[in-house]
Amino acid sequence: QSTLTQPASVSGSPGQSITISCTGTSSDVGSYNLVSWYQQHPGKAPKVITYEGNKRPSGVSNRFSGSKSGNSASLTISGLQAEDEADYYCCSYAGSSTWVFGGGTKLTVL
Amino acid sequence: EVQLVESGGGLVQPGRSLRLSCVDSGFNFDDYAMHWVRQAPGKGLEWVSGISWNSGTIGYADSVKGRFTISRDNAKNSLYLQMNSLRAEDTALYYCAKEAYGFDPWGQGTLVTVSS
Repeated sequence: QSTLTQPASVSGSPGQSITISCTGTSSDVGSYNLVSWYQQHPGKAPKVITYEGNKRPSGVSNRFSGSKSGNSASLTISGLQAEDEADYYCCSYAGSSTWVFGGGTKLTVL
Repeated sequence: EVQLVESGGGLVQPGRSLRLSCVDSGFNFDDYAMHWVRQAPGKGLEWVSGISWNSGTIGYADSVKGRFTISRDNAKNSLYLQMNSLRAEDTALYYCAKEAYGFDPWGQGTLVTVSS
């Protein structure tokens, strides 16, 4: 069980779009359409923002979108807002009833 | 609204045991798989263990396999994590999460500190 690979940090200005990558393997991201993304503000519990690749839970802004290609997944945030500044984590099913998270990406809104 | 509430964390010496609990005040607890996810201080999220709705399927991270045991009591809307042979590296905030539309919702976590 290896951690999915994410960039440590990304940044963008208000109104811009950013993309956070999540690289796995053929044993996890590449084998299942079960990638989800989580947003975590300091001192708070994580919150799901996309699941099963590109689905959004009720109440999550359509500025957040997920995608997957091969062994990699991506989260795109469009129209960046100050409140989007947070840590973001990808997660994938890895087979045999196990799951794996990415190392996390700190998003800074300039 | 408060839905998942964890308890049972605390300071424990290396090698000792601790049992975490998570109570779901929402509906249909027994329809969903449940998971434990931990976060060491200043670090990222780590999936620890998961259990299917009927306890028929269970998984563990390699880092805890053989030391931790997950279980649930659907009659009590409760999830448990028995942690044995605790190590310093098990120090973390432990969250429980329901597997519905991804991991959602999450509790606020219970802090486990393993130190002599």
